Amino acid sequence: AQTVTQSQPEMSVQEAETVTLSCTYDTSESDYYLFWYKQPPSRQMILVIRQEAYKQQNATENRFSVNFQKAAKSFSLKISDSQLGDAAMYFCAYRSASTGANSKLTFGKGITLSVRP
Amino acid sequence: KAGVTQTPRYLIKTRGQQVTLSCSPISGHRSVSWYQQTPGQGLQFLFEYFSETQRNKGNFPGRFSGRQFSNSRSEMNVSTLELGDSALYLCASSLGGAEQMGYTFGSGTRLTVV
Repeated sequence: AQTVTQSQPEMSVQEAETVTLSCTYDTSESDYYLFWYKQPPSRQMILVIRQEAYKQQNATENRFSVNFQKAAKSFSLKISDSQLGDAAMYFCAYRSASTGANSKLTFGKGITLSVRP
Repeated sequence: KAGVTQTPRYLIKTRGQQVTLSCSPISGHRSVSWYQQTPGQGLQFLFEYFSETQRNKGNFPGRFSGRQFSNSRSEMNVSTLELGDSALYLCASSLGGAEQMGYTFGSGTRLTVV
């Protein structure tokens, strides 16, 4: 079974600075997807960024980028120029590339990010 | 385009009762998944429906069930409610194919069992 670990329960960053959120995972599969989701107090999970395991290039979405290290099974999220609206809980998630029995997201425990003005 | 709609937003039930939650996915999405979120256990997968068939199921007791209709709308039912069923229930929709562009989540239903 796949597992996702987010070892830091909380982090804080100064507005306009950069912060990196860590995530490691364990799987025996070679083809899969990794995601970072953001959950603000409104409760809705919002997709921040997505990475396909077969792509070596790290995904980037505006101020958000990932450092994907497949061999190390590491998938960290970097937020540049942090804004007050980035304050939320962030979840790392794994999904097998196969459908059927493995078609589910496995989440880490999440990390609460606060942004200091 | 409209997002994923979950109803109701809040629900208070008494132990022993049953409850039905509803989820309307994004138009064109054929897969609907359900997750339970609690402070202690985090996000746990309940089940996934694709084209009206349950494609995957998590480790929850049989009191938790679901179904999907021909228009892809899904309902989940919890019977004989227990205090421990108090949680945020999230629904996620996706196209459902092997190519995963990501899931779109609803705002959830907050269930409180008293």
